[in-house]
Amino acid sequence: EAGVVQSPRYKIIEKKQPVAFWCNPISGHNTLYWYLQNLGQGPELLIRYENEEAVDDSQLPKDRFSAERLKGVDSTLKIQPAELGDSAVYLCASSEQGTSASVQYFGPGTRLTVT
Amino acid sequence: DQQVKQNSPSLSVQEGRISILNCDYTNSMFDYFLWYKKYPAEGPTFLISISSIKDKNEDGRFTVFLNKSAKHLSLHIVPSQPGDSAVYFCAAERTGNQFYFGTGTSLTVIP
Repeated sequence: EAGVVQSPRYKIIEKKQPVAFWCNPISGHNTLYWYLQNLGQGPELLIRYENEEAVDDSQLPKDRFSAERLKGVDSTLKIQPAELGDSAVYLCASSEQGTSASVQYFGPGTRLTVT
Repeated sequence: DQQVKQNSPSLSVQEGRISILNCDYTNSMFDYFLWYKKYPAEGPTFLISISSIKDKNEDGRFTVFLNKSAKHLSLHIVPSQPGDSAVYFCAAERTGNQFYFGTGTSLTVIP
């Protein structure tokens, strides 16, 4: 079974440019998460989807970040415009809805460097 | 406000010995605690979990202990193997799929 797929794996952009990340969760997983991981830190939740509905986006900086999961499957996270402080790894994860302990399966992440 | 804390950024252990990774939390409302393992350039992978109503869960070489009164949990790896060298994240979940991760502990198992 394929795991969580993310692309691109690496992205280098100049500040003020837009950037987008794509995630395809494990088939059948209704819950999808986007996390931000800074160097030396743990993942921090940006947004969580249940199917196509964003049920927790309280930590998403909405002035520059946006996300969508139109058909309840794959998802896109966008930053516009990017700032130097956005340099980090962006992780996508998915889980089955309603399972105990809600084990999340993570993709490999997209490492963003803003110059 | 860091609700899950891993105060040891790194740990080195000899192969064959026990590795003990610690985690503290502040919120008594957490329902589940999980440990994830992360290799460089990969996403975290699930290792083991424990419900808040239990105090121990064992899976092969990995055992997680939960002390609710101290708001503390630990992961024991016995015996430690070089392939266990990775960053280990403690995570806590509240009902509603709200997850909080610690900052990670980098484990090095020395052959």
